[in-house]
Amino acid sequence: KAGVTQTPRYLIKTRGQQVTLSCSPISGHRSVSWYQQTPGQGLQFLFEYFSETQRNKGNFPGRFSGRQFSNSRSEMNVSTLELGDSALYLCASSRDFGETQYFGPGTRLLVL
Amino acid sequence: AQSVTQPDIHITVSEGASLELRCNYSYGATPYLFWYVQSPGQGLQLLLKYFSGDTLVQGIKGFEAEFKRSQSSFNLRKPSVHWSDAAEYFCAVAQAAGNKLTFGGGTRVLVKP
Repeated sequence: KAGVTQTPRYLIKTRGQQVTLSCSPISGHRSVSWYQQTPGQGLQFLFEYFSETQRNKGNFPGRFSGRQFSNSRSEMNVSTLELGDSALYLCASSRDFGETQYFGPGTRLLVL
Repeated sequence: AQSVTQPDIHITVSEGASLELRCNYSYGATPYLFWYVQSPGQGLQLLLKYFSGDTLVQGIKGFEAEFKRSQSSFNLRKPSVHWSDAAEYFCAVAQAAGNKLTFGGGTRVLVKP
């Protein structure tokens, strides 16, 4: 079965802009989590959605937001981009807690 | 708060030699522990996980890990590495509710021919 897909794979934005990233989970998976990966901070949890509800949230400013649709697809939005938002954004899906999380290839965001 | 420490940032190992990657965690309850591998430019692939039961866990690609509660450790091992094992390895712990993973800083493995 198809894996987790993320679009776009690469993105270049300028400071102050906003960006929306998309994640399509594996069919049948209802949980989608988002992570930010940077050389300095490593892998950090952003938020998790389960059945369209945010179930967990990491320590990121309110500029980072997300949502999940009824088909379990998820989007994350970053408003007023800063240089420090340049990162690889990874999405992971699972059927539920305790189930294996499968990661997508990520979206690499560069903020200039 | 939970945390994960991977003491070794880089490890160089010869092809065919054994490999052990260290992971120490801090978590108040019974942890859910994971090892993931990331090849350059790729997402994360799960190698193995520990939830409960047998403390020696077998994973994919010939990897295994041992959970030691007394040492708060979950070290990853492979008896004989292949050049394709060159990658970055991440240990992670999940909390009791939800799917929030806390990752260690990663260990980059270089395999010498």
